[in-house]
Amino acid sequence: DTAVSQTPKYLVTQMGNDKSIKCEQNLGHDTMYWYKQDSKKFLKIMFSYNNKELIINETVPNRFSPKSPDKAHLNLHINSLELGDSAVYFCASSQDEIYGYTFGSGTRLTVV
Amino acid sequence: QQPVQSPQAVILREGEDAVINCSSSKALYSVHWYRQKHGEAPVFLMILLKGGEQKGHEKISASFNEKKQQSSLYLTASQLSYSGTYFCGTAYSGGGADGLTFGKGTHLIIQP
Repeated sequence: DTAVSQTPKYLVTQMGNDKSIKCEQNLGHDTMYWYKQDSKKFLKIMFSYNNKELIINETVPNRFSPKSPDKAHLNLHINSLELGDSAVYFCASSQDEIYGYTFGSGTRLTVV
Repeated sequence: QQPVQSPQAVILREGEDAVINCSSSKALYSVHWYRQKHGEAPVFLMILLKGGEQKGHEKISASFNEKKQQSSLYLTASQLSYSGTYFCGTAYSGGGADGLTFGKGTHLIIQP
């Protein structure tokens, strides 16, 4: 059973397009996150979502927006894609931080 | 503020020991350690909460020096499977809402 699943695994798209990445967790965790990992492997938090409270990293462009239809899902929508958005995007979840985060397998986004 | 990890890279022979350090200029609530293998998601190793505790996980252990705002990850008698990039992730408050701020990672290569 996959604990945190993301789709798609790979996404290649043109500049200016709008795309979405889906994330689902079946662990019953209360908090979900989106992280961006760039080509230098730097993992940077974008959003955290807990009980309908959204915390946004101030450096994230407003072209990025998370949508949570329910506790088990946190999807990422990206408008007007730019070349610099190319990266691997990881979804993660946690119940209590003492148990750590469980990451999804990642979505490699390539903007051409 | 991003924690500082050192060294950036380590090359070891199987059976040798390694220490990876993580330091913060800001008071820490907790430190997480993760390992990421190439093309895979980060995997949680352990968490250390403020209080200066030390934890062990088979031949991988870690310490947290609250006074110095530093944590160290110790890998003893390294195995080939330990290869990967190690990240420390820091939290400055409890609850998990703010997410973790990760260091730039330490690339560990274990040679036979």
